[in-house]
Amino acid sequence: EPEVTQTPSHQVTQMGQEVILRCVPISNHLYFYWYRQILGQKVEFLVSFYNNEISEKSEIFDDQFSVERPDGSNFTLKIRSTKLEDSAMYFCASSGAGSRKLFFGSGTQLSVL
Amino acid sequence: DAKTTQPNSMESNEEEPVHLPCNHSTISGTDYIHWYRQLPSQGPEYVIHGLTSNVNNRMASLAIAEDRKSSTLILHRATLRDAAVYYCILLNAGKSTFGDGTTLTVKP
Repeated sequence: EPEVTQTPSHQVTQMGQEVILRCVPISNHLYFYWYRQILGQKVEFLVSFYNNEISEKSEIFDDQFSVERPDGSNFTLKIRSTKLEDSAMYFCASSGAGSRKLFFGSGTQLSVL
Repeated sequence: DAKTTQPNSMESNEEEPVHLPCNHSTISGTDYIHWYRQLPSQGPEYVIHGLTSNVNNRMASLAIAEDRKSSTLILHRATLRDAAVYYCILLNAGKSTFGDGTTLTVKP
């Protein structure tokens, strides 16, 4: 079965640094998402992306966050100046049209020191 | 956005059926009801989805109330590998909010 690929699997960064988390969604999908999960907590929606623009975003997705689909295959999440509380597992997901079944990647564990 | 409510935890014995309930009283007409599960140290995994009619697949069954304000995920014979957090979410245009989910424990 096709899958969503995320890189890196682990990322360690210093507070205040910029990080870019990368995702390769399933090739014929149209909708792209980022979620995060702080250790021991529930999965939280960050942002959805369709037709080269953000379609929805949560309160968490502030000016420090941005998303981009630079080349038609990758989907990136950038955190401009990381904070300690950004430490979490970040999941990328994609879906096709219709029922919007979500396919999740295996996540990037971000640790901000 | 529409919210779902699930019990915090449930227990089952191996080889027995499990019924996991979900309330979504503010569902809108175009929301799909999706179920995902998250095994320890893994990303969420699709289980099943439906709109109005009950659905069956190789993993589970989904029973949807006639007014669509609640649904039940049915695992016909729980195995130890089914121990996970089960999330019921409503999917429509763009935004999908995961609730707290139900932690299912399966006892041998």
